[in-house]
Amino acid sequence: DAGVTQSPTHLIKTRGQQVTLRCSPKSGHDTVSWYQQALGQGPQFIFQYYEEEERQRGNFPDRFSGHQFPNYSSELNVNALLLGDSALYLCASSLTGAADTEAFFGQGTRLTVV
Amino acid sequence: RKEVEQDPGPFNVPEGATVAFNCTYSNSASQSFFWYRQDCRKEPKLLMSVYSSGNEDGRFTAQLNRASQYISLLIRDSKLSDSATYLCVVTRNNAGNMLTFGGGTRLMVKP
Repeated sequence: DAGVTQSPTHLIKTRGQQVTLRCSPKSGHDTVSWYQQALGQGPQFIFQYYEEEERQRGNFPDRFSGHQFPNYSSELNVNALLLGDSALYLCASSLTGAADTEAFFGQGTRLTVV
Repeated sequence: RKEVEQDPGPFNVPEGATVAFNCTYSNSASQSFFWYRQDCRKEPKLLMSVYSSGNEDGRFTAQLNRASQYISLLIRDSKLSDSATYLCVVTRNNAGNMLTFGGGTRLMVKP
């Protein structure tokens, strides 16, 4: 049973560029959440997707956008990259409505903006 | 003020020691509470859920005080392998599976 998988694992981009990160949820999960974790800090919630729609959003600018596909996989897009966007981007999947709503995390994508 | 606050540490303890971490949360609508463990450059993993009645899992004991909005984690007989960052996490009643993390407390267990 595959867990949450993210790609790529590492990425280096230049300021002003755009990036797309990908996430495949754990088998049987239908909800995907994205988090940003800066060095030395806890993860910060970016947004959550369920039924192919953004259900909740954290305090992130519109440069951060996402998508969920019919197979529940998800993408995170960041436009006009800033140096401050350098972080570990984590995807977490869960099952909405289940008694056990434990969120499982992928290994993350480490984005460096230069 | 952050919604979930933790002492960042680091806590440096010898093997076999008992160590306690505390966490406070500001939103009284918080519904569920967890401790996650994160190893260096890895993803967070659920360590244990936290209940008002307290819960224990081997050497780990977690406690919740809703009146004081305070969560604790006690680790007994520390092992070298316990070295990690411990993240306090809460969810809100109307926030589905959205997790709000504290900044984490770093633990270093020394031989």
